[in-house]
Amino acid sequence: NAGVMQNPRHLVRRRGQEARLRCSPMKGHSHVYWYRQLPEEGLKFMVYLQKENIIDESGMPKERFSAEFPKEGPSILRIQQVVRGDSAAYFCASSPAGGSNSPLHFGNGTRLTVT
Amino acid sequence: KNQVEQSPQSLIILEGKNCTLQCNYTVSPFSNLRWYKQDTGRGPVSLTIMTFSENTKSNGRYTATLDADTKQSSLHITASQLSDSASYICVVSSANFGNEKLTFGTGTRLTIIP
Repeated sequence: NAGVMQNPRHLVRRRGQEARLRCSPMKGHSHVYWYRQLPEEGLKFMVYLQKENIIDESGMPKERFSAEFPKEGPSILRIQQVVRGDSAAYFCASSPAGGSNSPLHFGNGTRLTVT
Repeated sequence: KNQVEQSPQSLIILEGKNCTLQCNYTVSPFSNLRWYKQDTGRGPVSLTIMTFSENTKSNGRYTATLDADTKQSSLHITASQLSDSASYICVVSSANFGNEKLTFGTGTRLTIIP
């Protein structure tokens, strides 16, 4: 029973390139959340998705960032024209339902470094 | 503005000793409070979830308390082990019209030394 799988674990991009981060939720989970963590800071909410729907993207920058969770396949967080400030750990979490008491299961993150 | 503050920022204790981590929050409306353990380089792992009506919950050597009146929570670790070395994150959930938001603290970095 695999947990939340994120890949790649580490990603290095030059300024101006695109970064694609993938997240496969736990089996049976249809709710996916993306968070960003800067060193010495707490996780910051970016976006909440269900299959084929963005439910809440209030934490995601309006420009350069996009997310999707297609009917088939993993959820993708896409960052276009990366800048040094995008360097961070990006965590994906999934839950079986969107209720407030549903535990979140986190992946081990993708560490993005922009050079 | 919803905020979660944790103390201490870091803590070093000897193996076998007990310790208590603190969490104060100003989150409204309150839905639940969660404690997570995050090992270096890994994602957070849930330890406990407490709703408004619960004031204590245990998970093995971890015991969380919640005082919803003073908006404080604590995580007590008993008989610490080297594997307890990690960051412990307090997370408070607020739900408004079914839209849940989680506010994360910055964590307490716990180091257990032999």
